[in-house]
Amino acid sequence: GENVEQHPSTLSVQEGDSAVIKCTYSDSASNYFPWYKQELGKRPQLIIDIRSNVGEKKDQRIAVTLNKTAKHFSLHITETQPEDSAVYFCAASKGSASKIIFGSGTRLSIRP
Amino acid sequence: EAGVTQFPSHSVIEKGQTVTLRCDPISGHDNLYWYRRVMGKEIKFLLHFVKESKQDESGMPNNRFLAERTGGTYSTLKVQPAELEDSGVYFCASSQDWGLYTGELFFGEGSRLTVL
Repeated sequence: GENVEQHPSTLSVQEGDSAVIKCTYSDSASNYFPWYKQELGKRPQLIIDIRSNVGEKKDQRIAVTLNKTAKHFSLHITETQPEDSAVYFCAASKGSASKIIFGSGTRLSIRP
Repeated sequence: EAGVTQFPSHSVIEKGQTVTLRCDPISGHDNLYWYRRVMGKEIKFLLHFVKESKQDESGMPNNRFLAERTGGTYSTLKVQPAELEDSGVYFCASSQDWGLYTGELFFGEGSRLTVL
């Protein structure tokens, strides 16, 4: 079945610096790759997603890149701020009516 | 519009007892998922309903877990009898697909289960 691997498990960056989280997926039929942010004690929420027909998507300080050949995708956060501290999960899905499989999560800490 | 709601928010039971978790998805969402997060680790897939049908239950750990979705609306997840390793946060999520692609998952706040 589909497997999603995520690295690193923890990441600490200086406020204002960039953070990069990487994921790989196993099933080449996957076509949808969302990223979720879970703040302490709260529910996971979608922050950005990308479909297999594009290679990059950006939303303000957040961007996601997708390399279908290598089966990996990455989350880039620029100009990090304290409110970016959270656990980030990547995920993959094979499309409509398919389950969404999550990576193991990255705990991001922003140092003041 | 109401989001995904889960009940109870926290349940503490003894090993061998039964617990039933409930999830009310966003109205109109055909997809309903159950996930579990244990000890701050991954969000592990349990099962997926499309309307009232079980689309994929490959993540259910064993036959102590039973999920139902009555009339394609709310869902329940029963653990009977509960074991220590069942402790964790159980998340429900719902979505509506868009054409070929999976729709955004909207999560509930989770039900924290502690088995003593």
